[in-house]
Amino acid sequence: DIQMTQSPSSLSASVGDRVTITCRSSQNIDTYLNWYQQKPGKAPKLLIYAASNLYSGVPSRFSGSGSGTDFTLIISSLHPEDFATYYCQQSFSAPITFGQGTRLEIK
Amino acid sequence: EVQLLESGGGFVQPGESLRLSCAASGFTFTSYAMNWVRQAPGKGLEWVSAVSGSGSSTYYADSVKGRFTISRDNSKNTVYLQMDSLRADDTAVYYCAKDSPLVVAPFDWWGQGTLVAVSS
Repeated sequence: DIQMTQSPSSLSASVGDRVTITCRSSQNIDTYLNWYQQKPGKAPKLLIYAASNLYSGVPSRFSGSGSGTDFTLIISSLHPEDFATYYCQQSFSAPITFGQGTRLEIK
Repeated sequence: EVQLLESGGGFVQPGESLRLSCAASGFTFTSYAMNWVRQAPGKGLEWVSAVSGSGSSTYYADSVKGRFTISRDNSKNTVYLQMDSLRADDTAVYYCAKDSPLVVAPFDWWGQGTLVAVSS
């Protein structure tokens, strides 16, 4: 199975900050990497697919990059509604696996 | 608009069975694989199972292989997860999620989730 490792596991930041979350896969997954946002008590929402493609309706302050084994999610300027948990996911091969999550908290 | 509505969750004892359903609408159901993803209380997301659009191919996480069975009824636009021999560590919110037509097939729509609690 492909292991996905996110860092950091938690992060405190302020409105307006630039935030970077990284995700590393245990083997080459090309760009089969997706990012989701989840708020408490809610289902996850797709943000970025294929490593760098912004999903429809997602604000442009979100961006993704990377290929192979190393990937990055960047939020260029935090808005209050961005405080949530973020997960990366590989869809390269079954079983599909998620990172452990990065909890983004208000400083 | 796409809607995914899970049902069938509840409280059961270890060793018992439960069947989850996910009723889909707003898209051509047969065109997309469907997935079950679970989240234990306070924990991260764990993919559980997937079924192809036709229902002919199924996939499972090792943690549920041999105990859970995924299926779909394309005449009812519904996907199921039959869960047998339930254990305490199966306790979670179970989400159904739709494959997208986008490259690399992320999950573009998710249901609201249904809670399964296994305890004696």
